[in-house]
Amino acid sequence: GAVVSQHPSWVICKSGTSVKIECRSLDFQATTMFWYRQFPKQSLMLMATSNEGSKATYEQGVEKDKFLINHASLTLSTLTVTSAHPEDSSFYICSARGISNQPQHFGDGTRLSIL
Amino acid sequence: GDSVTQMEGPVTLSEEAFLTINCTYTATGYPSLFWYVQYPGEGLQLLLKATKADDKGSNKGFEATYRKETTSFHLEKGSVQVSDSAVYFCALSKGGQGAQKLVFGQGTRLTINP
Repeated sequence: GAVVSQHPSWVICKSGTSVKIECRSLDFQATTMFWYRQFPKQSLMLMATSNEGSKATYEQGVEKDKFLINHASLTLSTLTVTSAHPEDSSFYICSARGISNQPQHFGDGTRLSIL
Repeated sequence: GDSVTQMEGPVTLSEEAFLTINCTYTATGYPSLFWYVQYPGEGLQLLLKATKADDKGSNKGFEATYRKETTSFHLEKGSVQVSDSAVYFCALSKGGQGAQKLVFGQGTRLTINP
């Protein structure tokens, strides 16, 4: 079946650094990728939607300069949290979808902890 | 806007008990409905789905029926196992199975005791 790989699974870093999270579709071409944020014991909140080769569409309230999304190929999207601070600590999950009638397939998530 | 409301958890049951997790939605048009499951430290896995009214989605002993008249998509299982312990999310999307963004409910944490 469709597999989405997310890396790293867990990262701890100091406040002020930038962190890059990768999301790869391993056995299908992902025309659209989604990035979600999940706070402890809460639901997933969509941050942005990205289509290969075009700029991401951010949800209201999400800072595009803070959360940089690049979808440079049909199998890879990256989320970079710039100048991370403790309030950015969260569980980040990506999903990928092939052609428009297919469901989204989710990665295993990245737990980001900013000290 | 579109929204999904799930019964509050956590839900704790004994093995082999009957499970119901309620889910209702608010949406214009005709959304597709989904149940996702999240095991500890992992992403979400699609459990089942229904794309039109009266459709029944089923998988791994779980079932949910798309009820347009009550705008509901309740998840049921006749006999739960310890391995079913996880967080369950009800979700909707419009414009096809995944064509549009997913809107999730708040999640229901299920714990099954042996």
